[in-house]
Amino acid sequence: NAGVTQTPKFQVLKTGQSMTLQCAQDMNHEYMSWYRQDPGMGLRLIHYSVGAGITDQGEVPNGYNVSRSTTEDFPLRLLSAAPSQTSVYFCASRGPLSGQAKFFGPGTRLTVL
Amino acid sequence: QQPVQSPQAVILREGEDAVINCSSSKALYSVHWYRQKHGEAPVFLMILLKGGEQKGHDKISASFNEKKQQSSLYLTASQLSYSGTYFCGTIYRGTYKYIFGTGTRLKVLA
Repeated sequence: NAGVTQTPKFQVLKTGQSMTLQCAQDMNHEYMSWYRQDPGMGLRLIHYSVGAGITDQGEVPNGYNVSRSTTEDFPLRLLSAAPSQTSVYFCASRGPLSGQAKFFGPGTRLTVL
Repeated sequence: QQPVQSPQAVILREGEDAVINCSSSKALYSVHWYRQKHGEAPVFLMILLKGGEQKGHDKISASFNEKKQQSSLYLTASQLSYSGTYFCGTIYRGTYKYIFGTGTRLKVLA
């Protein structure tokens, strides 16, 4: 199993550009989430999904969109990139029970100029 | 609002012990603990599901006090490999949101 995969690993954008960060998992996990981590800071929840077709906002959703058309994929779209969105983005997945661990992808390091 | 961890940072010598606390203002379903090495993704350590539950492996253990809405992570006889940032994670009762605590940076010196 590949676990949770993310692409790209690194990305540089100009202000105003849009892009999609890809996330896929092969563990048949229902729950998937996107977090951002600013330098020296903690993990803040952007959006999450409890199953295909169901998404909801996290703590810092502004400027980001998500969709979940399949169990495996959960892409994150930046609509119009801003320097404040410079961060490391982690995708994570877990099973439906509260006792199940969360697995993280390797992260995407995004710089917005 | 995310759980608050204390201390924010701690420096130890090899072999010393440390305690990291995670406190929430809301009722918790469960508490999870993760460690993140610099430049890497967080890695799962353990889950505590019930109030009063204590778990551990190697020399890392944790407890969960459901009534006080807090959990503690205990690192005994620390090793260099314990260095990193520790996060508690939780799902608040009545929601599906998985929120991480503020984090504790731990550095173990030789």
